[in-house]
Amino acid sequence: KAGVTQTPRYLIKTRGQQVTLSCSPISGHRSVSWYQQTPGQGLQFLFEYFSETQRNKGNFPGRFSGRQFSNSRSEMNVSTLELGDSALYLCASSFWGRANNEQFFGPGTRLTVL
Amino acid sequence: AQKVTQAQTEISVVEKEDVTLDCVYETRDTTYYLFWYKQPPSGELVFLIRRNSFDEQNEISGRYSWNFQKSTSSFNFTITASQVVDSAVYFCALSETGSGNTGKLIFGQGTTLQVKP
Repeated sequence: KAGVTQTPRYLIKTRGQQVTLSCSPISGHRSVSWYQQTPGQGLQFLFEYFSETQRNKGNFPGRFSGRQFSNSRSEMNVSTLELGDSALYLCASSFWGRANNEQFFGPGTRLTVL
Repeated sequence: AQKVTQAQTEISVVEKEDVTLDCVYETRDTTYYLFWYKQPPSGELVFLIRRNSFDEQNEISGRYSWNFQKSTSSFNFTITASQVVDSAVYFCALSETGSGNTGKLIFGQGTTLQVKP
């Protein structure tokens, strides 16, 4: 079956703009998590959604937000972009979003902020 | 506080050598899960293994083996007879059942493994 897909794969924006990234989980998976990967901070958890509800949030400013739709697809939005937001944004899906669930990752969206 | 430490930033070996990637974790939970993921140059994280905190049995899968020791809070990963295709960044991660049991992964900084022919 199809894996986790993320669009777009690459994005270039300028400071102050906003951006929306999309994630389609594996069919049947109801949990979607988002992670930010940077050379300096590594992989950091942004938030997790299950059945359209945000259940957990990482330590990121309010400029980072997300949502999940009834078909489990998820979007994350970053407003007022800063240079430090340049990163690889990874989406992961799992059946129940529990601690013991294997998470399946997408290829990521590479965001560059100029 | 929860934390995962992978002290080795980069490791370089010659093909066919054995290599061990270290992972040390911190958690206050009594029930938790540990994972290893591989990230090849393409960027997509690939799941390798999951262990729960109550199962300290070592595991072997082909050339890969994992050693979980609760007493030292370590979950080390060994590749036997390494191959060039093993070159990647390897991440150790922790998932706790407290705080809502929502599957949030706490990653180590990753170890870049380079296997030279």
